[in-house]
Amino acid sequence: QSALTQPASVSGSPGQSITISCTGTSSDVGGYNYVSWYQQHPGKAPKLMIYEVSNRPSGVSNRFSGSKSGNTASLTISGLQAEDEADYYCSSYTSSSCWVFGGGTKLTVL
Amino acid sequence: QVTLKESGPVLVKPTETLTLTCTVSGFSLSNARMGVSWIRQPPGKALEWLAHIFSNDEKSYSTSLKSRLTISKDTSKSQVVLTMTNMDPVDTATYYCARIRWEDTAMVTFDYWGQGTLVTVSS
Repeated sequence: QSALTQPASVSGSPGQSITISCTGTSSDVGGYNYVSWYQQHPGKAPKLMIYEVSNRPSGVSNRFSGSKSGNTASLTISGLQAEDEADYYCSSYTSSSCWVFGGGTKLTVL
Repeated sequence: QVTLKESGPVLVKPTETLTLTCTVSGFSLSNARMGVSWIRQPPGKALEWLAHIFSNDEKSYSTSLKSRLTISKDTSKSQVVLTMTNMDPVDTATYYCARIRWEDTAMVTFDYWGQGTLVTVSS
């Protein structure tokens, strides 16, 4: 199972919006609505931000939103804040009854 | 309060077998709506899913590591155990356990994580 494809880095200024893409295949992202997104600050465990493509867990800011089109899922962060600077990972359930992660995207808030 | 905590050796030698334990609290491993995965992250690199165990004891493994992995659980102790054979320096990583929860028809993937445990493989 190959890792999902994410851009290595994205950046934005405070208050702006950014979008991180996550590209897979019809056997994972395109085949299931089980795409999740995680935020990871240095030295910390990942934190669930979005599950099932677009659902936010309780306590996650509504500045975070998710979507999917075909084999590509996206995470959008609006109203960027300094605290959003972190690594972001997507994951998907797969047709092999496994889970797969993306390569991660480093978000820099300028 | 849901918590997961990993434990195991900090250092293992090449070719040895690694055994890690994930002790959970705040939910039961016998709950049909719960499951636990192991995930690892080499220093400075991406997350990699390794294995999952469901409440009915069904297991799922990474296709690339399947021959080296075994996942099991002891519901009475609230523990999930991962063993990985024939360890190599490239297996040096922080190993996490994380929960999956099913809510009606929704699958909430990896909603709680342990703090992680760094395992170094070196002679």
